[in-house]
Amino acid sequence: DSGVTQTPKHLITATGQRVTLRCSPRSGDLSVYWYQQSLDQGLQFLIHYYNGEERAKGNILERFSAQQFPDLHSELNLSSLELGDSALYFCASSPHGGNEQFFGPGTRLTVL
Amino acid sequence: GESVGLHLPTLSVQEGDNSIINCAYSNSASDYFIWYKQESGKGPQFIIDIRSNMDKRQGQRVTVLLNKTVKHLSLQIAATQPGDSAVYFCAENVAGGTSYGKLTFGQGTILTVHP
Repeated sequence: DSGVTQTPKHLITATGQRVTLRCSPRSGDLSVYWYQQSLDQGLQFLIHYYNGEERAKGNILERFSAQQFPDLHSELNLSSLELGDSALYFCASSPHGGNEQFFGPGTRLTVL
Repeated sequence: GESVGLHLPTLSVQEGDNSIINCAYSNSASDYFIWYKQESGKGPQFIIDIRSNMDKRQGQRVTVLLNKTVKHLSLQIAATQPGDSAVYFCAENVAGGTSYGKLTFGQGTILTVHP
């Protein structure tokens, strides 16, 4: 158990809908990262927040947005969902930035 | 066009053998190279990292080798155990700037250890 929690574990929704994925980092970690893992694209970095501020952005679609709250938990919002957004979404945390990131169990999103 | 799934390289070994997993990287500007392990149904787990100015680093039962000349990274696992069965990813990190904290992952290698 990495200490990072993600909810929900599974999410099934329809095209065009909007969902919110939630992440609680390990106690004391200031950095939160979001990754998408799909069969055709592999594991892709989406975004990094540090203590509430955005620090780095990957190839995150404009339909996707994230934020980190004062209590350091984070949410990833996915809107106007398409079939191709079906994937595993991982949240990770670390004390600051760095190579050793602690990954949560993931949220499996299925868009029908 | 039609998208196809990634065809991951596979490595099959017997318990007790040494395993070598290879990775080619592309970004010469990367400051760190990292190995992660992902077991079925779980998130990736950090194994070891190496700074770009080093060519070898050892951990517990693992050794990472970096050859910058040919942009090649390898992970050696000694005395491989069934619990080592997983997908292994190499990753790159450019420290600082707008890429801070951004790990770029390779496609992964499936390691299967037979008892």
